[in-house]
Amino acid sequence: DAGVIQSPRHEVTEMGQEVTLRCKPISGHNSLFWYRQTMMRGLELLIYFNNNVPIDDSGMPEDRFSAKMPNASFSTLKIQPSEPRDSAVYFCASRPGLHQPQHFGDGTRLSIL
Amino acid sequence: DQQVKQNSPSLSVQEGRISILNCDYTNSMFDYFLWYKKYPAEGPTFLISISSIKDKNEDGRFTVFLNKSAKHLSLHIVPSQPGDSAVYFCAASRGVNTGTASKLTFGTGTRLQVTL
Repeated sequence: DAGVIQSPRHEVTEMGQEVTLRCKPISGHNSLFWYRQTMMRGLELLIYFNNNVPIDDSGMPEDRFSAKMPNASFSTLKIQPSEPRDSAVYFCASRPGLHQPQHFGDGTRLSIL
Repeated sequence: DQQVKQNSPSLSVQEGRISILNCDYTNSMFDYFLWYKKYPAEGPTFLISISSIKDKNEDGRFTVFLNKSAKHLSLHIVPSQPGDSAVYFCAASRGVNTGTASKLTFGTGTRLQVTL
């Protein structure tokens, strides 16, 4: 079975550019999560969706960040404009149900120059 | 405010011995706890979980202990193997026992090195 698929695996871009990270959750999973991992703050939840609806976006750092889930098999996390402090590894995870563990993708390593 | 804390950033254990990784939490509303393992350049993978109605859960070489009064949980790996070398994250959530949707709060991780 395919796991959570994230693309791209690596992204290097200049500050001010728009960045779009993509995630395909595991089929049948009804919750999707976006995390950011940095050395300073560890693994932080940015936003999560249940049945394609955003439930909690309190972790989104600022208005430059936005996330969408247009259908059950696809989600995007967009940063516009990007800044060097956005450099981190971004993980997407999905979960089949309430009392089930989350399954993570392998992450996107984002570097903003 | 770090609600889930892993105070040891690293741990080194000899192969065959027991590895004990610790985690403390401050939110008494947490009722579901998980451990994840993470290798470099990969996402975290689920290892073992425990609900607050239990104080121990075992799966092969891995056992998680929960002490609710101390707001403390630990992961025991016996015997430790070189392939266990990874970063281990403790995570907690609330609402499992009430059936409400909830997010995970992660600790900052402990890097385990199992030496030969």
